[in-house]
Amino acid sequence: GENVEQHPSTLSVQEGDSAVIKCTYSDSASNYFPWYKQELGKGPQLIIDIRSNVGEKKDQRIAVTLNKTAKHFSLHITETQPEDSAVYFCAASPGNTGFQKLVFGTGTRLLVSP
Amino acid sequence: EAGVAQSPRYKIIEKRQSVAFWCNPISGHATLYWYQQILGQGPKLLIQFQNNGVVDDSQLPKDRFSAERLKGVDSTLKIQPAKLEDSAVYLCASSFAGIDTQYFGPGTRLTVL
Repeated sequence: GENVEQHPSTLSVQEGDSAVIKCTYSDSASNYFPWYKQELGKGPQLIIDIRSNVGEKKDQRIAVTLNKTAKHFSLHITETQPEDSAVYFCAASPGNTGFQKLVFGTGTRLLVSP
Repeated sequence: EAGVAQSPRYKIIEKRQSVAFWCNPISGHATLYWYQQILGQGPKLLIQFQNNGVVDDSQLPKDRFSAERLKGVDSTLKIQPAKLEDSAVYLCASSFAGIDTQYFGPGTRLTVL
């Protein structure tokens, strides 16, 4: 089955800096890669996703890149703000079943200091 | 639009007791998921429903966990009997269809003593 590894486990940056979180996956059949943000006491919230027919996707300050050959994808946050502080999870899903079956990474705790 | 609702938000029980969690998905969402999130880990899928049918329960410990979605709307997840290692946050998510974005509820934090 799919296995997703995520690094780093914690990331501390200064406000205004960029943050990069990286994930690798094992199943070459995976074709959907979402990123979720989880704040304390809340459920995960989708912030951006990418499908395997696209190499990069941007939404304001966040972007995701995908390298299918190397089986890795990354989340980039620019101009970080204190409210970006949270735990971020990557996930991968094989798309050949007609249903999403998300396998999550272990999470990255991002701390943005003012 | 109302989000995914879950109750209770917190539950403390002793080992070997039983517990049930309830989830009401976003209106119109056909697919419903239950996840287990152990502290410091990512969510792990337990079971997935499409309407009132089970799509995937391969990671559900069926000797103690059960789930149902009888009318294809809300769902309950039950643990009987609970073990210490069941302490976790149980998350419910829903999507319009099986390949669409999953929206998560706030979760139920279970502590087994």
